[in-house]
Amino acid sequence: ETGVTQSPTHLIKTRGQQVTLRCSSQSGHNTVSWYQQALGQGPQFIFQYYREEENGRGNFPPRFSGLQFPNYSSELNVNALELDDSALYLCASSTGAGPAAYNEQFFGPGTRLTVL
Amino acid sequence: GQNIDQPTEMTATEGAIVQINCTYQTSGFNGLFWYQQHAGEAPTFLSYNVLDGLEEKGRFSSFLSRSKGYSYLLLKELQMKDSASYLCAVSSTGGFKTIFGAGTRLFVKA
Repeated sequence: ETGVTQSPTHLIKTRGQQVTLRCSSQSGHNTVSWYQQALGQGPQFIFQYYREEENGRGNFPPRFSGLQFPNYSSELNVNALELDDSALYLCASSTGAGPAAYNEQFFGPGTRLTVL
Repeated sequence: GQNIDQPTEMTATEGAIVQINCTYQTSGFNGLFWYQQHAGEAPTFLSYNVLDGLEEKGRFSSFLSRSKGYSYLLLKELQMKDSASYLCAVSSTGGFKTIFGAGTRLFVKA
């Protein structure tokens, strides 16, 4: 059983650029959630995908978008980068199967994004 | 609104017991999680409570009172490696959203 992986590990971009972060879910997991974690803060929920459909979204602007693929891997895209987007971006996979399902999430190691 | 409160920092001595409290207000409740996060690493799952009461797992125990919107994580026989941030998170119904607190940084001293 492979764990959750993310790429790249670190990334440096400049303001206004676009970035794509990737996540490979744990084997057998059909749900992926993305989080933004600023230094010294808890993870903030960006959105969740369940079987390739967006299944919930946090308070993030539309320039944060995502995709989930048939193999349940996922991408987070951020357009028009701002300085405040500098953070650790975490993806977490789970076997969510409905609103009341127990939903333990397994986190990837994260991508550290720095916007200059 | 949705809010999770936990202390910012705590210090305890190796071998001792420490209790980290968490209070929450969320729209809908589908369970409460505790995660451990070492600096520069991803959060790792510690416990899950959906019913009132105490769940014990080795040196770690977690308690939940849904009527009070309150949980605590109890760590026994503290070890230096327990120095980390401890995140309280609530899973809300509808949209499978998980809301995290800011975390409690625990320092274990010799």
